Amino acid sequence: GQNIDQPTEMTATEGAIVQINCTYQTSGFNGLFWYQQHAGEAPTFLSYNVLDGLEEKGRFSSFLSRSKGYSYLLLKELQMKDSASYLCARGGGGNKLTFGTGTQLKVEL
Amino acid sequence: GAVVSQHPSWVICKSGTSVKIECRSLDFQATTMFWYRQFPKQSLMLMATSNEGSKATYEQGVEKDKFLINHASLTLSTLTVTSAHPEDSSFYICSAHKQGDYGYTFGSGTRLTVV
Repeated sequence: GQNIDQPTEMTATEGAIVQINCTYQTSGFNGLFWYQQHAGEAPTFLSYNVLDGLEEKGRFSSFLSRSKGYSYLLLKELQMKDSASYLCARGGGGNKLTFGTGTQLKVEL
Repeated sequence: GAVVSQHPSWVICKSGTSVKIECRSLDFQATTMFWYRQFPKQSLMLMATSNEGSKATYEQGVEKDKFLINHASLTLSTLTVTSAHPEDSSFYICSAHKQGDYGYTFGSGTRLTVV
């Protein structure tokens, strides 16, 4: 299988930093994606990692360690609008994209 | 940028009827399209992978005779939920992948309610 695990829920304070972790099975790996999804809407692309290391995009950064089957999404300067579900997704054979369980992030004042 | 149009946005149907959902790539040719289902407060579950001109590949546990997928052209894939039941009520989302590109473009989703 391609078990992709993330915490189910997280809570953080406005202005703070939060890290959302994701672990996945490494066989047949073809890239790691992070998406943001608000309730009732389609996922929105945030980041893509295929090589080890950190990719930074404004307030969002994503890290990948291929040998460990591990990634994290880092959100800085949290805003209320960042309250959403964050989905880790693994690219695999046949261009298949498989999603993790999703992490529901709640940003509080 | 790449755009995928998915219709309808929402549909209500009676038990036993069939519903067709369309997914179109508007400005690129999608060699592969994917269909997902999402139940409330859960993640996206891949149902099937659809390649233009060939039969769809279904994930384990997904009934191919119930969820009919057609990918007749490089810009259109359809999902037909046949003999719908209330337990089929869900959020269905398609995504399209362009050959040679790493990204996936998602449709806006279809909320299906079977009564």
